[in-house]
Amino acid sequence: QVQLVQSGAEVKKPGASVKVSCKASGDTFSGYYIHWVRQAPGQGPEWMGWINPNSGDTNYAQKFQGRVTMTRDTSISTAYIELSRLRSDDTAVYYCTTESSRSFDYWGQGTLVTVSS
Amino acid sequence: DIQMTQSPSSLSASVGDRVTITCRASQNINTYLNWYQQTPGKAPQILIHDASMMQGGVPSRFSGSGSGTYFTLTISTLLPEDFATYYCQQCYSYPWTFGQGTKVEIK
Repeated sequence: QVQLVQSGAEVKKPGASVKVSCKASGDTFSGYYIHWVRQAPGQGPEWMGWINPNSGDTNYAQKFQGRVTMTRDTSISTAYIELSRLRSDDTAVYYCTTESSRSFDYWGQGTLVTVSS
Repeated sequence: DIQMTQSPSSLSASVGDRVTITCRASQNINTYLNWYQQTPGKAPQILIHDASMMQGGVPSRFSGSGSGTYFTLTISTLLPEDFATYYCQQCYSYPWTFGQGTKVEIK
């Protein structure tokens, strides 16, 4: 059983960066990959990438290469996603989720990021 | 990228109805297909993995089938708590991609 608690909502201006955190509890932090998935208003989810908390290895969707950075701090069981050069179409709810056998089983509550001038 | 196309995009049904949602992949994904249920304001929740394997705790009225490029999610007897949006997702190759969703509404 894993609980994922994300940081609060953010409002950013175009061109700025945002960093969202995801704190895990209840199980071994390094035991599962953490993925980030976002969902724009009224749209389906969109996969952004994953981080292996054990090694720090990452795999980003090509669409976000150069703008996204996923990191982790194992001492506090927390994963982070930072997205830079924000645009209005980055407005979305950002979720962290754990992977089990190629599916997403535990999810954070989501963090709304609003990009507006 | 593999495109996932769901149909219909929305449907109206009554409690007790049998409902089937389809999902087509733009290329062969074997059985690397998951189904999720999402209610407003909540994160998606896994229902089915590997096209037909029920996640633990999911009611038996949900079932999945298919392989290759064609998949279905069936709800045998619709209950009030099943009115939600359903998404398919391929995990065959990166980037993992989702369908656009099927909203099941009350008739």
